[in-house]
Parts: sequence; structure tokens; C-alpha cells
Amino acid sequence: DTAVSQTPKYLVTQMGNDKSIKCEQNLGHDTMYWYKQDSKKFLKIMFSYNNKELIINETVPNRFSPKSPDKAHLNLHINSLELGDSAVYFCASSQGDRRGNTIYFGEGSWLTVV
Amino acid sequence: AQTVTQSQPEMSVQEAETVTLSCTYDTSESDYYLFWYKQPPSRQMILVIRQEAYKQQNATENRFSVNFQKAAKSFSLKISDSQLGDAAMYFCAHTNFGNEKLTFGTGTRLTIIP
Repeated sequence: DTAVSQTPKYLVTQMGNDKSIKCEQNLGHDTMYWYKQDSKKFLKIMFSYNNKELIINETVPNRFSPKSPDKAHLNLHINSLELGDSAVYFCASSQGDRRGNTIYFGEGSWLTVV
Repeated sequence: AQTVTQSQPEMSVQEAETVTLSCTYDTSESDYYLFWYKQPPSRQMILVIRQEAYKQQNATENRFSVNFQKAAKSFSLKISDSQLGDAAMYFCAHTNFGNEKLTFGTGTRLTIIP
């Protein structure tokens, strides 16, 4: 049973297109995240949601719009894709009580913009 | 702002030997949490070990242990009896109490020599 699952795993698309990445967790966690890993393997948080409410937004271009229909799902929609958006996007979740609980990651979605 | 520094971009170790990966961090908080994550070629982010700053005892998980030096803000990972499956990128990460944001270091690529 996959704890944090995200789809698609691989995505190749052209500049200017709009794409979405979906994420679901079955751990019963209250908090979900999107992290971006660039070509140099650097991981940085983009967003976090707690019980469907946005709590972290790390100066991400507004072309990126997260949506959380319920606390088990956090989707990422990207408009007008640019070459620099190519990266691996990780969805993650945690208990969310702000006590340094372990963050569980999905397998990543590898986005390539051409 | 919190920063996490991993000064060793690459390390290698002979199979069955012991290796230590370095990590230093900077925070103005007294209560925080530290983590080591492993990222194998599959790109899955896997938690290796977690340390609570208020605990003086170093965390251990089977062959993995940490040397947590709070005053020096140092958090190194020791892998004993290295195995081929330990080959991966290792990321050190930090979060403060009351915060859900995980800050990562730049990673250390560990190679296991048969």
C-alpha cells in the first residue's frame, strides 16, 4: 500500500502548456506539502497545507497553484510552463502537529519542459 | 533563516566499512528536529533517522547512528557495515518546533565500493 502516491510519475510537455500533478495520502495526516528538486538535486519547499488550508507559500510564481479538495489530497497545477520548471516535484505529508514529525514523501513526478 | 550545510558533495566507502557524513546547521531556536533522508537512484525520499534537539542521547537505527553536537550545531551520520544498498544521495534536514517547513542540505552522494 503506497502511503503517498502522486501521478504522473513522468511528464514531458512543451513550453506554454498547463499541467497538473495529483497527490493522495492514505496515512491520515493533516498536513501535505509540495517540494521541488532541481537539476542540482536541491530540495526546497513550495507549499504546505494543513486540513485544506494553505500555511506555507514559499515565494513560488503564481503560475503554480496548489489545490486541496480534502486533507488527503493536494494537487499542483502549473500554468504556462517554462523551461526552468523542469524538475522533480515531490508530494509529502506529515502528522502536522508542528512537533517535527516525520515527513513522508511520494515517489516524485519528473517534469520535463521542452 | 535556517540553513543546513553538507560540505561533502561525494563520499565513498568500501563495503563492510564505516563511513561518516557531515552536516552542520544554523538556527536561532533551541527546540528543533534534525533528519537524515536517503534518496536512492529510484528518487524515493526515505527517512533514515530522526533526532530531537532536546534529547542528548544520539539516535540510532540499526547500522545508522548520529553524532549530535548541539553546541557545535553539528549532526553527522555514521553508517556501519556499509552495504551496496546504502549507495544513494543522503540529505540532512532541519525543522524548528512549531514549524512544518523542512530545510534540506545540498546532499552527499555516497558510493559503496564492492
